[in-house]
Formats: sequence, C-alpha cells, structure tokens
Amino acid sequence: TQLLEQSPQFLSIQEGENLTVYCNSSSVFSSLQWYRQEPGEGPVLLVTVVTGGEVKKLKRLTFQFGDARKDSSLHITAAQPGDTGLYLCAANAGGTSYGKLTFGQGTILTVHP
Amino acid sequence: NAGVTQTPKFQVLKTGQSMTLQCAQDMNHNSMYWYRQDPGMGLRLIYYSASEGTTDKGEVPNGYNVSRLNKREFSLRLESAAPSQTSVYFCASSPRTVYEQYFGPGTRLTVT
Repeated sequence: TQLLEQSPQFLSIQEGENLTVYCNSSSVFSSLQWYRQEPGEGPVLLVTVVTGGEVKKLKRLTFQFGDARKDSSLHITAAQPGDTGLYLCAANAGGTSYGKLTFGQGTILTVHP
Repeated sequence: NAGVTQTPKFQVLKTGQSMTLQCAQDMNHNSMYWYRQDPGMGLRLIYYSASEGTTDKGEVPNGYNVSRLNKREFSLRLESAAPSQTSVYFCASSPRTVYEQYFGPGTRLTVT
C-alpha cells in the first residue's frame, strides 16, 4: 500500500499570510490530485497533476508536482477566511493499482479574519 | 444535474443490525467508489467499481459488501454493523478510473 504523508496536519494563520502544504511519499505516482473539503460536505477536486515538475495555478493557489513524481506541494498566497477547510492530496500509482486513489490524512487549514 | 447523491444523510444502528447505503450519479460516469473517512486518517477506499458489472476490493473491505445495480447506482451494505464501522461514508464517481473523482455529501453512520 502506498502511503501519502501530508504536513502540517493543522495550520492556523491570519488573513493575508502565505502558506504551503506538503504531500510526500516514497512511491512514484502516475497522477496526483488535490481536493478541498468543507465541514459536512464531500471533497471537491481542485487540480490534477500528471507530469513530473508540473506547476499549475488556480487563482491564489499554486500546485507543484515533484520531478520524480513522488511529492507535491500546495501554496496559497494571501490566504482568506474562505480558504478555510480540509485539504487532501490523493494519488494513483497506475499499473495494478489502476482505478484506486490513495489519500493523505489531510491538512486542516483555518484562516482567521 | 444533481451530481452524486447519497441516502441517508445520518443513521444510527445498534451492533449487529444491517443496513444499505445508497448512492446514485447522473453524470454517466463509468466508475464508482465507496470510501470511509475517520479523523486523522483521510479517506480510505472500501470498494470500487471500474465499470458496470465489476466490483473490486479496496483498502478496507472487511465487513462490507457492494452491488453495482446499474451504471447509475452503487450500494454499500453492512451485514452486521460493529462500533468500528462508525464513520462518515462517501460515494464518488469518475468518468475514468484514474483521474478526477466527484464526491457525494456523505452519510454519517454511528454504531452503538
């Protein structure tokens, strides 16, 4: 079973600060996704990265996939209270694991006004 | 489009009781999934169905059974509920078996 380690597990910051969340593994993945989940709801996909070294931007969010496709980061610039939520990375190993996603344990982000 | 719908939203069971969680999607997706979410453990895959007529075990299948009734519906059954199955259960669907998944709102299950 591939493991995805997310850090930090909790993050509490003030509005306007920048932050980075990390997702690391010893396994190589064919693709990696980031989801955001609000209380009482299901996760919502933010981005999928598939190429080593790939960088994607979604407004104030920047996602990077490591060159070796073993790790990823999510950077938020000038965080806002609306960014509060649980951020999950998820990866697919491909091959015999085709169709199965492995999720990290999540990072709970709280942005204070 | 309703996306992925799940019923019920909340359920309390006594140990040993059985129940079926229902999931339906209206996006014509081929693949469907059942996850459980526990504090500090992210989402763990219980079972998945890559296409209509097929089902496969995920990471934590013990104590559960599934049925892919048709392309739209994928149900999860607990035959004899145990307190360890207290969790939030999410159904998801995907147009492909590798990329993006779309989640339902979840079922919060408590087994006493």
